[in-house]
Amino acid sequence: GAVVSQHPSWVICKSGTSVKIECRSLDFQATTMFWYRQFPKQSLMLMATSNEGSKATYEQGVEKDKFLINHASLTLSTLTVTSAHPEDSSFYICSARDLRGGQPQHFGDGTRLSIL
Amino acid sequence: AQSVTQLGSHVSVSEGALVLLRCNYSSSVPPYLFWYVQYPNQGLQLLLKYTTGATLVKGINGFEAEFKKSETSFHLTKPSAHMSDAAEYFCAVSLYGGSQGNLIFGKGTKLSVKP
Repeated sequence: GAVVSQHPSWVICKSGTSVKIECRSLDFQATTMFWYRQFPKQSLMLMATSNEGSKATYEQGVEKDKFLINHASLTLSTLTVTSAHPEDSSFYICSARDLRGGQPQHFGDGTRLSIL
Repeated sequence: AQSVTQLGSHVSVSEGALVLLRCNYSSSVPPYLFWYVQYPNQGLQLLLKYTTGATLVKGINGFEAEFKKSETSFHLTKPSAHMSDAAEYFCAVSLYGGSQGNLIFGKGTKLSVKP
């Protein structure tokens, strides 16, 4: 089945640093990838939709200068949390749309981000 | 507009008992509905989906769900709970209809299974 790899799975860093999270579709081409944020004991909140070769579409209330998204190839999208602060600590999940059908999105295993 | 409501943020059952997780939806287009499971510190795994056709859909791990248009419901069931079923479950509806639309998730239901 389709696999989406997300890396790193866990990262701890100091306040003020930037953190990059990668999302790769391993066995299919993903023209569209999604980035979600999940707070403890809550549902997934869509942050942005990333389309290969174009600018990401951000959901209302998500700072695009804070959360930089790049989708430079059909198998890779990255989310960079710039100048991270403790309030950015969360679980970030990516997913990729598989145009071959079957299911709308294949999810990565998430990245636990902790900002000290 | 599409929306999903999951009744009960936490459900606890005994091992071997029936599992029932409730999901109601609102959709302005014919809905495509999904159930996902999330284990701690992991992403989401598709349990089952309803697109068109048979209203009773079977998924992985013995789960099934029935689409009831008149009740706008898509409840998830499993006849006999297993300890390994303990996880968070999310119901979702496709935003624009179809199987390629963006997903709208419910708030999730945490399932606990007691020995």
